[in-house]
This record gives sequence, C-alpha cells and structure tokens, in this order.
Amino acid sequence: DAKTTQPPSMDCAEGRAANLPCNHSTISGNEYVYWYRQIHSQGPQYIIHGLKNNETNEMASLIITEDRKSSTLILPHATLRDTAVYYCIVSPLLRGTDKLIFGTGTRLQVFP
Amino acid sequence: GAVVSQHPSWVICKSGTSVKIECRSLDFQATTMFWYRQFPKQSLMLMATSNEGSKATYEQGVEKDKFLINHASLTLSTLTVTSAHPEDSSFYICSATQGAGGANYGYTFGSGTRLTVV
Repeated sequence: DAKTTQPPSMDCAEGRAANLPCNHSTISGNEYVYWYRQIHSQGPQYIIHGLKNNETNEMASLIITEDRKSSTLILPHATLRDTAVYYCIVSPLLRGTDKLIFGTGTRLQVFP
Repeated sequence: GAVVSQHPSWVICKSGTSVKIECRSLDFQATTMFWYRQFPKQSLMLMATSNEGSKATYEQGVEKDKFLINHASLTLSTLTVTSAHPEDSSFYICSATQGAGGANYGYTFGSGTRLTVV
C-alpha cells in the first residue's frame, strides 16, 4: 500500500508560490516526511525533510499539519527551473543504510 | 556538499553484451549505495542495496545474476548489466549518503545513466 498520496500533476505561474500537497494519513510517530524532486533526465535532488515542526531552507518550506497526516511543500517564488517531479516520502530517520522508496510524485509544470 | 558521480551518462550497446556503470562518492565515504531503475514516465524503482565489502541485497523480482553489483571500496560501486536485452533499456541511477549524519542532508543521487540496448 502506498504510504503517501500526491496529485499527479500541478501547474504554477512563474514567480508565484507553488504549494504541493501530500497526504500521509498512516504516518508513524517515528517517521519523517522527506521531499525530493527530479528534473527531467537527472537524478533526484533532496529538498527538505521534517518530523512535526515546520521547516525552511534555501530551497523551500515544509508545512506539516498538527496531526501529521498531511504536509505541504512550498516553493515561494517558482521559476521555470523548478519544473520537475516532486516526491513526498515518509520514512524513519534515514541513516546511510536505509532504503528510500519513491512513490509516483507530482509533476509540477511552471509556466511563464 | 556531498557529490555522487555516475559514469557513463549514456551508453548504447548491442543485445547480448554487458555494460558496466560506475557510481562514485567524490567527497565522502559511503558504506552503502543504492541502485535504482526508472522507465519512461515512471517512478524510480529500487533494484538493490550495495554494501561495501559484502554481497549486494536485491529487491524482490530483480535478477541478481543479471544485474551484478560490486562495491569494492568506500567510494565506488559498480552495476554491470549482463547479456543486455532491449527490455533492459532504462535510466539507471545510484545514490549514497554520508552515513548516520546523512539525515541532515538526505541522500545524494548520481546524474543517472541512460542505457539503450539495440
């Protein structure tokens, strides 16, 4: 069974905020929410991760609901280069030996 | 930051031949690396976990005799597709992390290798 549910695709105007939702209603107490993205024909890129507090870095913000059953990745000012497939993954804290399993993700298209 | 280099970026080979793909961690040591395969318009599928100095662990349904993995050092893992056939044509991607501290950075992925078997 899939641990996360994401919309298959979304559009966003350049310069606007892109808000990508993810449902993870069966998340366990020790599981984190990780976000990666994959630009066409490249390897995935780590974006951000969090446990229960909202997180922000130079790439994005992660908002996790209080019940932790869903989260939103926010790209505050989307650019054309943000066009990619975004993957939301729930997992226990990743150490070097833990597998990272990808779901189907959301294909974000940023348009001019 | 952590860099994972993958080589070659693309390769075309004849059916029945073998192809080797290299994955190197350039500025850190990785006792564990992972190999994925991705078909067009599909998500990444984990193939195997590569362990330095020991045998790889393969996911269910992945033929270990066809996809040979060698992790001879802390910075290099190789995936060899043996007796390649057109259905093996895919995008192969490796990943690694700096170990227990990797949780702060996530996993770093190579740029991928596009294999076309003709």
